[in-house]
Amino acid sequence: DTEVTQTPKHLVMGMTNKKSLKCEQHMGHRAMYWYKQKAKKPPELMFVYSYEKLSINESVPSRFSPECPNSSLLNLHLHALQPEDSALYLCASSEPSGGNEQFFGPGTRLTVL
Amino acid sequence: AQSVTQLGSHVSVSEGALVLLRCNYSSSVPPYLFWYVQYPNQGLQLLLKYTSAATLVKGINGFEAEFKKSETSFHLTKPSAHMSDAAEYFCAVSPHSGGYQKVTFGTGTKLQVIP
Repeated sequence: DTEVTQTPKHLVMGMTNKKSLKCEQHMGHRAMYWYKQKAKKPPELMFVYSYEKLSINESVPSRFSPECPNSSLLNLHLHALQPEDSALYLCASSEPSGGNEQFFGPGTRLTVL
Repeated sequence: AQSVTQLGSHVSVSEGALVLLRCNYSSSVPPYLFWYVQYPNQGLQLLLKYTSAATLVKGINGFEAEFKKSETSFHLTKPSAHMSDAAEYFCAVSPHSGGYQKVTFGTGTKLQVIP
């Protein structure tokens, strides 16, 4: 199984809502990632978890809160988002050591009204 | 910091023609290099990667890339374009590190294939 799944596929939320994005992989990968991708732009790294510990936070606003409940799951909790946070949110996973490819999920298309 | 530069945000080729997408990297030591493809409304898929084992790297769907240290380049090629190759292509770089991959993507090249 080389699949990374993400739910939901689409999400529309107001600026006062609280929602969560979910990501799951069963490849035994010990590194998991959240990216944000705006239209016609490359993915931008937000967070990296390695061995279930937060290793990188790329100065992401606190209205985005990541969580790694176990080695297969990665969540992104959203609260009080702004319209400019509307984007495609991609999850990825990889073996932790260097040179290993990242496997990407299909993404969650988020719209903040 | 390591980075990659992709020359040409849009490339158009005729079906059956050579595909050449350019990527130059900036790094003091040869890093790990990747080419990913993204179809509309989908995630990214790895085409190929360079990890210092061989300078000519063959990937999926008939693509290949050659690592040239003297030119700091990692251009992607395919001898004959197919309509299904129309997509966004990202070159990416990652330093040698343990524990995780901190990948930096280029700005992307949109490939259009003309019938």
